[in-house]
Amino acid sequence: DIQMTQSPSSLSASVGDRVTITCRASQDIRSSLAWFQQKPGRAPNLLLYAATRLESGVPSRFSGSGSGTDYTLTISSLQPEDFATYFCQQYFNVPPYSFGQGTRLEIK
Amino acid sequence: QAQLVQSGPEVKKPGASVKVSCKASGYMFTTYGVTWVRQTPGHGLEWMARISGYNGNANYAQNFQDRVILTIDTSTSTAYMELRGLRLDDTAVYYCARIQGSGWFAPWGQGTLVTVSS
Repeated sequence: DIQMTQSPSSLSASVGDRVTITCRASQDIRSSLAWFQQKPGRAPNLLLYAATRLESGVPSRFSGSGSGTDYTLTISSLQPEDFATYFCQQYFNVPPYSFGQGTRLEIK
Repeated sequence: QAQLVQSGPEVKKPGASVKVSCKASGYMFTTYGVTWVRQTPGHGLEWMARISGYNGNANYAQNFQDRVILTIDTSTSTAYMELRGLRLDDTAVYYCARIQGSGWFAPWGQGTLVTVSS
């Protein structure tokens, strides 16, 4: 099974900052990676899929990069509504699917 | 637009079973699979199982294969997840989600809190 290691587990930042979150897979997942945002008490919301493709309606300040085992979510300029928990999901050669442990993005 | 609406919160005793429903709308149910994921503070997001909306074929995660049964009702565009032999550590929010493309999950249902308590 593929394990996903996400870092950092938490992050403090200010409005306007650029932030980066990383997911590392235990094997090559051929860009089969999605990123989600989750706010307290709400369901996860898809941001990107196929590592770099922005879901319709998601602001362009969100972007993804990476290949092989290492992937990154970047928020170019944090907005107040971006403070939330982010996590990755791999879907290569499934099942089983697996998730990163999550990154809690807090206001500094 | 596609939407999944889940049944309401449940409180169960250890050893009991729970059945959660997930009603789809806004898309052709038989064209997509549905997956189930649970979330706990201690274990984060755990993938449980998936089912084809076309023929009802299901796959289960190893940790759940002896206790979870997935079914669908295409006449009502509804997927069901039954978890048997509930334990205290099954207390979690259970989500359904549509499986898109090669396997990302969108959209998700609103979640169903299942509390197991003696």
